[in-house]
Amino acid sequence: DAGVTQSPTHLIKTRGQHVTLRCSPISGHKSVSWYQQVLGQGPQFIFQYYEKEERGRGNFPDRFSARQFPNYSSELNVNALLLGDSALYLCASSLEQGQETQYFGPGTRLLVL
Amino acid sequence: GQQLNQSPQSMFIQEGEDVSMNCTSSSIFNTWLWYKQEPGEGPVLLIALYKAGELTSNGRLTAQFGITRKDSFLNISASIPSDVGIYFCAGRRGTYKYIFGTGTRLKVLA
Repeated sequence: DAGVTQSPTHLIKTRGQHVTLRCSPISGHKSVSWYQQVLGQGPQFIFQYYEKEERGRGNFPDRFSARQFPNYSSELNVNALLLGDSALYLCASSLEQGQETQYFGPGTRLLVL
Repeated sequence: GQQLNQSPQSMFIQEGEDVSMNCTSSSIFNTWLWYKQEPGEGPVLLIALYKAGELTSNGRLTAQFGITRKDSFLNISASIPSDVGIYFCAGRRGTYKYIFGTGTRLKVLA
């Protein structure tokens, strides 16, 4: 079975631009979470979506938004990019919301110049 | 953002040695996870722990959920070169938010 997939794998943007990152969860998984991982640090929680609704949000500005589609795939949008947004963006899926483990995709490496 | 404290921060060990690392928090968690991440990849789940005091093994890896619910431990026995990577703990409180540790970078010398 396919694991979590993310696209694109790498992306270069300039300050002020916006970006859309995509994630397809493991088949049958209904919950998707997004994380930002800056080089040398652990992942930081951005959002969790379950059944197409936002169920949790981390300490990130409103420039960050996301949505989940009926097929449980998800998009993360970042507007007005800043240099500090350069990071590996990870998507994780889990079967249900609640006491379940999560599985990560390979990430999208975003570089903001 | 908030991160859990992991120690050691990095370690070099000889192949065949056992490795121990830990993760501590000032807050209680109801789930602890351990992940391994290699360069350019996403974290891969190694072990999940759900109850205080729980001890769980996955091959040469053994992890424990601390009885205070504020810490967790990971041991790797008889390390091999492919154990190289960054090991992250993650604690979950509530239903959705995982907080990750700062990572332990492991390098194995053949």
